[in-house]
Amino acid sequence: DTEVTQTPKHLVMGMTNKKSLKCEQHMGHRAMYWYKQKAKKPPELMFVYSYEKLSINESVPSRFSPECPNSSLLNLHLHALQPEDSALYLCASSQVGRGRYGYTFGSGTRLTVV
Amino acid sequence: QQQVKQSPQSLIVQKGGISIINCAYENTAFDYFPWYQQFPGKGPALLIAIRPDVSEKKEGRFTISFNKSAKQFSLHIMDSQPGDSATYFCAASIRAAGNKLTFGGGTRVLVKP
Repeated sequence: DTEVTQTPKHLVMGMTNKKSLKCEQHMGHRAMYWYKQKAKKPPELMFVYSYEKLSINESVPSRFSPECPNSSLLNLHLHALQPEDSALYLCASSQVGRGRYGYTFGSGTRLTVV
Repeated sequence: QQQVKQSPQSLIVQKGGISIINCAYENTAFDYFPWYQQFPGKGPALLIAIRPDVSEKKEGRFTISFNKSAKQFSLHIMDSQPGDSATYFCAASIRAAGNKLTFGGGTRVLVKP
């Protein structure tokens, strides 16, 4: 299995809703990432988990809450989002260690906040 | 502060031609330079990558050229095909600092048949 699987593929939520994005990989990668991508822009890093521990938080608002339950799963919990949070949310994973740096990205969750 | 600058923003090339995308970086601590290809509705896919101790790397029709003194690197797509039409992102990271990728702004490539 050489894929990162993200669910759902599309999500529409109201500003008062609570929802979660899920990401799963079975490549044995011990680093996992959340990126946000707006239309015609590059991905922007949100969070990095290394060995299931949060190692980087790029000053993301608290309405985004990441969780890494185990080495294969990564969640992003969403609450009280704003319309400007509408974007493609990408999960990625990579091995950890010298010489092993290539990311594998999932296809993303297209989020629309109404 | 944009640490990786990419040009051009868009590129149109005829089938069989050469596509050239350039990137420049500012942070001399960067030590890993990958290129990603992204199709509409998909996540970016790693295309090819280079370390600064190498001046050129070739994989099939894709070649990275790296100029450490100028802090520039470029992607050449030889014999461009319509299936190469996509958005290409250069990126850079510091391997010892969490492997956090900093992306360039992207180049939309259209290969005309």
